[in-house]
Amino acid sequence: EVQLLQPGAEVKKPGESLMISCEASGYNFSTHWIGWVRQMPGRGLEWMGIIYPADSDMRYSPSFQGHVTLSVDESTNTAFLHWSSLRTSDTAMYYCVRSSVSTMTNSPPDYWGRGTLVTVSS
Amino acid sequence: QSVLTQPPSVSGTPGQKVTISCAGSSSNIGSNYVHWYRQVPGAAPTVLINWNNQRPSGVPDRFSGSKSGTSASLTISGLRSEDEADYYCAAWQEGFYVFGSGTTVAVL
Repeated sequence: EVQLLQPGAEVKKPGESLMISCEASGYNFSTHWIGWVRQMPGRGLEWMGIIYPADSDMRYSPSFQGHVTLSVDESTNTAFLHWSSLRTSDTAMYYCVRSSVSTMTNSPPDYWGRGTLVTVSS
Repeated sequence: QSVLTQPPSVSGTPGQKVTISCAGSSSNIGSNYVHWYRQVPGAAPTVLINWNNQRPSGVPDRFSGSKSGTSASLTISGLRSEDEADYYCAAWQEGFYVFGSGTTVAVL
């Protein structure tokens, strides 16, 4: 069974850094793109980017390029989303998603994690 | 502002058929597949329709998808109370995915 395990919540102050994780299991981690989707409070879904674990090739939405960084650790089947300097506007739920078709860059998300609620407040 | 445009809400009575539209452009829907997701409040989204009109295992056949040109639609035939949720379309656009603005379905 495919599972994407995420921590439930993180609370940070503006300007602080943060890395959230997504531990994958139940499939070949290396050959499926894995990525992140943001949902701000009361708002819709926004695709942020994906990374291919086998070679760390990445695709970012222009809306998020330069503000977040994706990475993976193949030894632990874990994907990461990193901010070097958080803003209050980063307050949102962040879902980890797996792309459905092995090796295919533009395959849609099929499995979703339960999400990590990031709260940025002074 | 979302790249794919959906109506904010649709409603119907139990047993009715409702359709949710998703309008895009030649750079997304016009040249790529459309996928649909459902999100119940407080939960993560789940996939409803893939590749324009394919239902993953476990999705009832009351749900169907179609695409024509730069638009797509999701139809729920035989609306049920448990269909109350938010629905999102998605499509690939020149190197990344874009989601629709989302539609809330209400069962009256």
